[in-house]
Amino acid sequence: SAVISQKPSRDICQRGTSLTIQCQVDSQVTMMFWYRQQPGQSLTLIATANQGSEATYESGFVIDKFPISRPNLTFSTLTVSNMSPEDSSIYLCSVLQGAGANVLTFGAGSRLTVL
Amino acid sequence: AQSVSQHNHHVILSEAASLELGCNYSYGGTVNLFWYVQYPGQHLQLLLKYFSGDPLVKGIKGFEAEFIKSKFSFNLRKPSVQWSDTAEYFCAVNAGGTASKLTFGTGTRLQVTL
Repeated sequence: SAVISQKPSRDICQRGTSLTIQCQVDSQVTMMFWYRQQPGQSLTLIATANQGSEATYESGFVIDKFPISRPNLTFSTLTVSNMSPEDSSIYLCSVLQGAGANVLTFGAGSRLTVL
Repeated sequence: AQSVSQHNHHVILSEAASLELGCNYSYGGTVNLFWYVQYPGQHLQLLLKYFSGDPLVKGIKGFEAEFIKSKFSFNLRKPSVQWSDTAEYFCAVNAGGTASKLTFGTGTRLQVTL
């Protein structure tokens, strides 16, 4: 199965700053997905990162707040902009795997704490 | 929109006890169902999945889950838990054929004591 690496694994940030999270996959994938897990809550899909086109955002998430890059088939970044304490979460990168590419595999996540 | 309910937020069991974690979803059409596990300090891993066929599916580490369509449920079971099963367990559903768009439950923290 694909190996997904995320950086940073954790960070503490100041309010109003921005942080970019990197996701590297060891194989080429068409789509990469960014999820968020807020404290005590379930995972929520933020957006789908497609290579060669703009990311597709889910309801409640906007590009200005969470800009995404997808420069090639193995790499993506998610930026959390103008952070507030409410952005303190674990951000996870994922890709589809399996015979029918129908199972999500997740990276270890990036734990952000915003002070 | 679909939703997933995990009624047990925190379960504490002794080793060798039997486990059943509840998962109910709301969606009237065809669904794919998943259980993921997150061991302390590790990333989220797939435990088992149901797409079609036999509603009783077996996963890794002796876990199984049963899909009961009439009850919109996909409960996770293990006959005898081990201390190493201490983890957080997430039920997830995707509906409408969008494999990437999983709806997760809020998770159940399982603590197994020696």
